[in-house]
Amino acid sequence: TQLLEQSPQFLSIQEGENLTVYCNSSSVFSSLQWYRQEPGEGPVLLVTVVTGGEVKKLKRLTFQFGDARKDSSLHITAAQPGDTGLYLCAGARSNDYKLSFGAGTTVTVRA
Amino acid sequence: DSGVTQTPKHLITATGQRVTLRCSPRSGDLSVYWYQQSLDQGLQFLIQYYNGEERAKGNILERFSAQQFPDLHSELNLSSLELGDSALYFCASSGGDRTDTQYFGPGTRLTVL
Repeated sequence: TQLLEQSPQFLSIQEGENLTVYCNSSSVFSSLQWYRQEPGEGPVLLVTVVTGGEVKKLKRLTFQFGDARKDSSLHITAAQPGDTGLYLCAGARSNDYKLSFGAGTTVTVRA
Repeated sequence: DSGVTQTPKHLITATGQRVTLRCSPRSGDLSVYWYQQSLDQGLQFLIQYYNGEERAKGNILERFSAQQFPDLHSELNLSSLELGDSALYFCASSGGDRTDTQYFGPGTRLTVL
């Protein structure tokens, strides 16, 4: 059982559409990170959120950390083919040395 | 480029063999983490070293071992390899022993035939 549940598992949309990926848990995290990974490459850090209710924006990407620090979402506006990839959320708990990763959401943006 | 380097990029070997994967962390980072990623298991944490000492263990098999050297590079040793060990192996680094933000290397793709 994954500590972090990501949904949906797969998402295929047309260029220009919006999408949201969710990351949920019953555990409280001291911080949560989002990564994007392309096939055969290492995950690339997109953002770290640490405060409950925090919203961070990175160009067309908006990240939100839940008030209770148990969940997060990633919203992409006007998706482009370059946004295609595997999106992973990862959480750090205060009593843990390691990150716990979700299973990931595979996003495909069709031109 | 994350600043984390891993070698080799690809490794093909036979069952029963032993291999060593190498990782150099970002300059100044003291922690090194090893992960295994396979299609059916996702990204699984294996082990963490901080400044030369083992700090946390995850789902690491007894056939696998790791160490971190005084210059902070790390090696992951995989022995008695099985077909199911075929996967991508990633190294990540961070500044402190509990620092949340980890930076990943490009990975080593291991294929066991």
